[in-house]
Order: sequence, then C-alpha cells, then structure tokens
Amino acid sequence: AQSVTQLDSQVPVFEEAPVELRCNYSSSVSVYLFWYVQYPNQGLQLLLKYLSGSTLVESINGFEAEFNKSQTSFHLRKPSVHISDTAEYFCAVSDSGAGSYQLTFGKGTKLSVIP
Amino acid sequence: GAGVSQSPSNKVTEKGKDVELRCDPISGHTALYWYRQSLGQGLEFLIYFQGNSAPDKSGLPSDRFSAERTGGSVSTLTIQRTQQEDSAVYLCASSPAGGQNYGYTFGSGTRLTVV
Repeated sequence: AQSVTQLDSQVPVFEEAPVELRCNYSSSVSVYLFWYVQYPNQGLQLLLKYLSGSTLVESINGFEAEFNKSQTSFHLRKPSVHISDTAEYFCAVSDSGAGSYQLTFGKGTKLSVIP
Repeated sequence: GAGVSQSPSNKVTEKGKDVELRCDPISGHTALYWYRQSLGQGLEFLIYFQGNSAPDKSGLPSDRFSAERTGGSVSTLTIQRTQQEDSAVYLCASSPAGGQNYGYTFGSGTRLTVV
C-alpha cells in the first residue's frame, strides 16, 4: 500500500517570496509522482509529474519539484510566487508497474499568497 | 467536449434519499475514475473504469454506492439511502488510457450536501 504525507495543511507566503510545499511518500515499489493544483471552485489540474529520467521536473508556470528517492520526497518549489498561485496543491503517488492506474493523494496544502 | 463535465455542480438532498451524479469524460478517453474529496481528508479513490473491462470497485465505501458506465462514455455514480457522512465533493476524471503516465483530467466536481 502507498501513502502520501503533505506536512503542511496551510502555507501563507508574501507575494514574490519563495515557497516550498513538502511531500513525502511511502511505497514498497517504484513510483510515479504528481502534483495537482486546485483553484477555488474548480477541479484538479495536473501541474507536473515525475515518471523517470531527470529527477527535477518543471511546470510551465515556474513551479518545479525534485524527486529524492533516498528521502522519499517530492517537494514542490517556486522561487517567486504570484497572487494567482493561491490555490490548494495535492501531491499524489502511483505504482509505476504496467497497468497501474490508481492515484493515492495527500490531504493537500493550501497556499495563500499575501499581497 | 473540451473537458470533463460533471452534473449537477451542487446537490442538496435529504438523508435517506437516493442521488445520481453524472460524469461525461473527454471524448476518446477510455479510462474514467471517481474520487471523493472530503473536507480536510484529501481525495479518496472510489471506482475505475477502463474500456470494456470489469470496473475496479475496490474503493466504494459501502454497498449503498454503485456506478456504471454506459457505452464506454458517460458514467453515473449512484448513492442510495444517503447519509450525512456522504456529504463531500465527488470528482470524476478521465485519461486516454489506463496508465498513469498520461495523467488525469478532472471535472469540477459535484458538491453533495446531505441534510
């Protein structure tokens, strides 16, 4: 069985400051890792994913996450946040085996960007 | 359509009544998923459909919950004899195939309130 822990339920940060949203996972097998973002009253949108290869993955809006196998972490970072980044962020893990399809989600981190 | 469509967006029902929630996936997506999002609890997997294969119902919390997918497209999640603990946002997602490397596209959800 897999599990995901998002260590912070809420993270307030001033505009243009850096932010890190923490995610740790537990799994006995190789994994795929994902970050999803949920803006108010909307569904979840895929932000970025790690499948294989380079451990550093980036999104189109300036977020990045690094897969650290030894620490079983996949923290999300952005060097300078904008008001529009205010949202809830979910980390998710999946077994990387063939035919695997079920995502296990963390409980989410609410990012509030303060003007 | 361009995205995953869910209806209704909001549903208030009396305890003990049955409800039906509808999901219309992206055209051509063979995989369809239902998740439940409860306040402060993250996302809970409910059920997965892939093409004409038997669905994975392992996440359904009780026999009051059922789902079907007609013609490999539209899906309906039915909750019978609703209870207050069923109150949550029910999210539907679809993907091009049953593998995780494609990622999910989520709908905006149905917010169910049982009074």
